[in-house]
Amino acid sequence: DIQMTQSPSTLSASVGDRVTISCRASQSISDWLAWYQQKPGKAPKLLIYKASSLESGVPSRFSGSGSGTEFTLTISCLQPDDFATYYCQQYNSYIFTFGPGTKVDMK
Amino acid sequence: QVTLRESGPALVKPTQTLTLTCSFSGFSLRTTGMCVSWIRQPPGKALEWLARIDWDDDKFYNTSLKTRLTISKDTSKNQVVLTMTNMDPVDTATYFCARTSRIAGAGGRNYYYMDVWGKGTTVAVSS
Repeated sequence: DIQMTQSPSTLSASVGDRVTISCRASQSISDWLAWYQQKPGKAPKLLIYKASSLESGVPSRFSGSGSGTEFTLTISCLQPDDFATYYCQQYNSYIFTFGPGTKVDMK
Repeated sequence: QVTLRESGPALVKPTQTLTLTCSFSGFSLRTTGMCVSWIRQPPGKALEWLARIDWDDDKFYNTSLKTRLTISKDTSKNQVVLTMTNMDPVDTATYFCARTSRIAGAGGRNYYYMDVWGKGTTVAVSS
């Protein structure tokens, strides 16, 4: 199975900061990668699919990039509603796998 | 509007079989390219994908759990059922179902991503 890793595991930031989260796949997944946001007690919400395609209704401050094995989620100007945990997930394989998550908390 | 709702027991005993139902609206598993996945999340831990069933009844399972999992669908009721046998306390988690949609790739291959999720149902395993 394809293994996914994320860094950092926790990120402390302030409102207005530019935030970058990294995700790495154990083998090439082309651009078959999604990013999800999850808040405590809630279901994950799709932000980005196909590595860089913004899901409908998601604010444009979220962007994704990368291909192959290295990917990045960027929040251009962190808002109060963005404090959450973010997961990457590959769907290149029929067996889906998630990264361990990156928690973005308040500095 | 697409919605999914998970239902099942809140508590099961070790060694029992868990049966969860995902009831959905706003899409149909008769539609080519539509699928439903199950995902779980133990308390304080990461998401773990469990299984997927496709419109054409193709089924895919988590490698580590596939001997314990069975996924099925009732298209007429807009429901997908997941059973997990031999439950253990480590299976305590919130279980989510998610619509899984097709996107075309190069060379005629299709790819599937989870775009709409249910709120989840919490299952505890304890004697």
